Order: sequence, then structure tokens, then C-alpha cells
Amino acid sequence: QVQLVQSGSELMTPGASVKISCKASGYTFTSHALNWVRQAPGQGLEWMGWINTNTGNPTYSQGFTGRFVFSLDTSVSTTYLQIDSLKADDTAIYYCARAQMNWLDPWGQGTLVTVSS
Amino acid sequence: QSVLTQPPSVSGAPGQKVTISCTGSSSNIGADYDVQWYRQLPGTAPKLLMYSNNIRPSGVPDRFSGSKSGTSASLAITGLQAEDEADYYCQSFDTSLGGSLFGGGTKLTVL
Repeated sequence: QVQLVQSGSELMTPGASVKISCKASGYTFTSHALNWVRQAPGQGLEWMGWINTNTGNPTYSQGFTGRFVFSLDTSVSTTYLQIDSLKADDTAIYYCARAQMNWLDPWGQGTLVTVSS
Repeated sequence: QSVLTQPPSVSGAPGQKVTISCTGSSSNIGADYDVQWYRQLPGTAPKLLMYSNNIRPSGVPDRFSGSKSGTSASLAITGLQAEDEADYYCQSFDTSLGGSLFGGGTKLTVL
């Protein structure tokens, strides 16, 4: 079945970088874009952007430019989210989700990133 | 302003019907972009509940229905069950943002 499996929780210090992964299986990786969505503690969903799995071209939503980088390794059907210069308010659960036309399905299980000194 | 507005909370007794609204603008729902709904059970990832305004993915019971009109959309849940208690989010595309947009989410409580 179609599945997205994300890497495990991360505890990071302010100023560090983190790279989380999202491995796809059960379909042709390059046939669907992959999106990233952030959910801060107790808050709603925030769309971060998406990456074209054919070209590797990323598109970032407003507020997620500069420190956020989407990348791919098509050889292992995996997309990555790197966050540089981490701040306390980057603490959140980060989800990857496969794009199907205008909707997102399925979603990965989420990766909790905690930024604390 | 590019936002999708949902009521923070709704509630209903078992067996009743509830409706969750999602109000957008001329740059998203009103621009004829489809609306999707996702359900998020506590401690889990969101899951697609409705797409293209009113289409249920396989496995979603027909107690759930969606509609769209003008700059708004709605999700209706009939025959409320305890297991429906969750957070519900609407989502659409926004031309001003050039990407997807989520509503703020609605917490459904089954009394």
C-alpha cells in the first residue's frame, strides 16, 4: 500500500540544523509531488511548500524561505526537509504528504522536532 | 487576506448532525478552487476525509458529506459517533499565496 514513513523525533539546540526524512513506498516516487506541513504544539496545520519529484524543484510558502530546504534522493524514494539556524519556535511536528491533484494523501506519521537549550 | 476561517469548536450529541463551515475569499474558494477536508484524531497524523468538495475517499462512511458555494464550504456529519471526536481542517488553493492553504481547524466534541 502507499505509505510515507518519516524519521524519528529530534531534540536540537538553538542554532543547529536538522534534516528529517520521508520515505515513500507503494507507488512510483516520481509520479507525485511531495508536500511539507508544520503543526506547532496545540496549533493548526501550516503548509510549508512542496517539491517536484521529477525535477527536484522546490516551492516554498511565505514564511518558509531562507532557512528551510526541501531535497530529494530518488534512488531511495525519499524526500528531506532541512531546517537551519533552528529557533525555539521551530518546535513542531513536521509532516510530509503526497500530492494527488489538489489534495494530500497519504500523510507521513510526522516527525517531532524540539528545539531547546 | 488569504485565510480560510473555521469555527474553533462544534459539538453535538450522539446521533445528531453537525456542520463545520470553512469561509474563504475570492482568491481561494471563490476562485473556484476545490476544497478538501482532513480529520486528525488526537496524537495522529491528519487523514484525508473529503476531496474535490464532496468526494469521499474509499472507506469514509456516507455519514460525511461536503458542499461548496461561493466563497464557503461545509462539512456535514450525521449520526454522530464518539469516534468522530477529532480536529477537522479544510484546505484549498490560494492564488495570492501561490499554494495550499489550511483553515484554522475545528475541534468536534461528541457530548
